[in-house]
Amino acid sequence: AQSVAQPEDQVNVAEGNPLTVKCTYSVSGNPYLFWYVQYPNRGLQFLLKYITGDNLVKGSYGFEAEFNKSQTSFHLKKPSALVSDSALYFCAVRDLGFQKLVFGTGTRLLVSP
Amino acid sequence: GAVVSQHPSRVICKSGTSVKIECRSLDFQATTMFWYRQFPKQSLMLMATSNEGSKATYEQGVEKDKFLINHASLTLSTLTVTSAHPEDSSFYICSARKLAGDYNEQFFGPGTRLTVL
Repeated sequence: AQSVAQPEDQVNVAEGNPLTVKCTYSVSGNPYLFWYVQYPNRGLQFLLKYITGDNLVKGSYGFEAEFNKSQTSFHLKKPSALVSDSALYFCAVRDLGFQKLVFGTGTRLLVSP
Repeated sequence: GAVVSQHPSRVICKSGTSVKIECRSLDFQATTMFWYRQFPKQSLMLMATSNEGSKATYEQGVEKDKFLINHASLTLSTLTVTSAHPEDSSFYICSARKLAGDYNEQFFGPGTRLTVL
């Protein structure tokens, strides 16, 4: 069965500093990996995805993620955090052959001024 | 493009009543729509997958008679919570996949907060 783990409930970072939000996954085949962001009382907004190709994926709002097959990880990164990046971030995986996305438990990012 | 709306955004109802939540793809046709439930400080749990014109596929543990899903057109899916109880209070989110588009991409609605008194 496919699963996603986000080991940190919350990540705190100062504005201007780099940020990393961790995600590891488990699938039986090749993974399709996604990052979404959720602001309070809102639906999810797509940030980026990895399907195939270059392991470093660039997405919206300056975010990027690196697919690491050997470590089964897909960590979200940004070189310089903004206060407006404060939100809830979800990693998700879809296994080839399955329709549904499986989400991690989410990581709350708090960027302080 | 690729905007999904939900109505209502917030609803409060009495225990025992039924509540209908609409999910619309505003600028695209959606072959498949997904309904999720999100508890406070928890992840999204897929409830069901609905394909236009056919019966929804429910995830294990989700009562299909309690959570009625209808996907009558390529732009509209509805979730009806029948005989709602306080434990049904939650944040319900739908997503849609384009008829002609990236199979991997889902577009999410803004969510509906249901409170059952």
